[in-house]
Amino acid sequence: NAGVTQTPKFRVLKTGQSMTLLCAQDMNHEYMYWYRQDPGMGLRLIHYSVGEGTTAKGEVPDGYNVSRLKKQNFLLGLESAAPSQTSVYFCASSQRRSGGGLAGAPYEQYFGPGTRLTVT
Amino acid sequence: QQQVKQSPQSLIVQKGGISIINCAYENTAFDYFPWYQQFPGKGPALLIAIRPDVSEKKEGRFTISFNKSAKQFSLHIMDSQPGDSATYFCAAKRQGNLIFGKGTKLSVKP
Repeated sequence: NAGVTQTPKFRVLKTGQSMTLLCAQDMNHEYMYWYRQDPGMGLRLIHYSVGEGTTAKGEVPDGYNVSRLKKQNFLLGLESAAPSQTSVYFCASSQRRSGGGLAGAPYEQYFGPGTRLTVT
Repeated sequence: QQQVKQSPQSLIVQKGGISIINCAYENTAFDYFPWYQQFPGKGPALLIAIRPDVSEKKEGRFTISFNKSAKQFSLHIMDSQPGDSATYFCAAKRQGNLIFGKGTKLSVKP
């Protein structure tokens, strides 16, 4: 199993350009998340999804949109990139919250390797 | 408003020593407290976690101490090794989502 994969690994954008970050998981997880990580700020939740076709806002959603058309994929879009969106973006997934009898720690979020985005 | 406060920001420990990282929270609705370990260039990975009805959990050299009345929890790394050098994040779960602390960069000197 590949776990959680993210595409691309690195990207440089100019202000105003758009792009989509792709996250894929092969663990059949219900929940998927997008975080951004900035120095000294920890991980902050951008958007999340509790299942195919559903999305919800996290702590820092402004300037981002997401879509979950397939259970295994979660896309993060930047419509008009700004320098403030320079960050490392992590995708994560977890099993259903109320699920029982499954291996692994309940509520464990499995993270991808990250995408380093620079907006100039 | 920072819901999970983590300290220190950075920590240097000699090999074989004890590393201690502390976290505090305000919201009593949090019901699960994990610690994540992140190596440079990698995504965070779950290290150890505890529920609020338990005061201590130990897994190998890693121990979480939890003080519900004080709303504090800490990670202790016994016999710290250079391979433990990483950034550690505490977190707290509420309604399915994790709120992370700002992280502690641990360096273990040989």
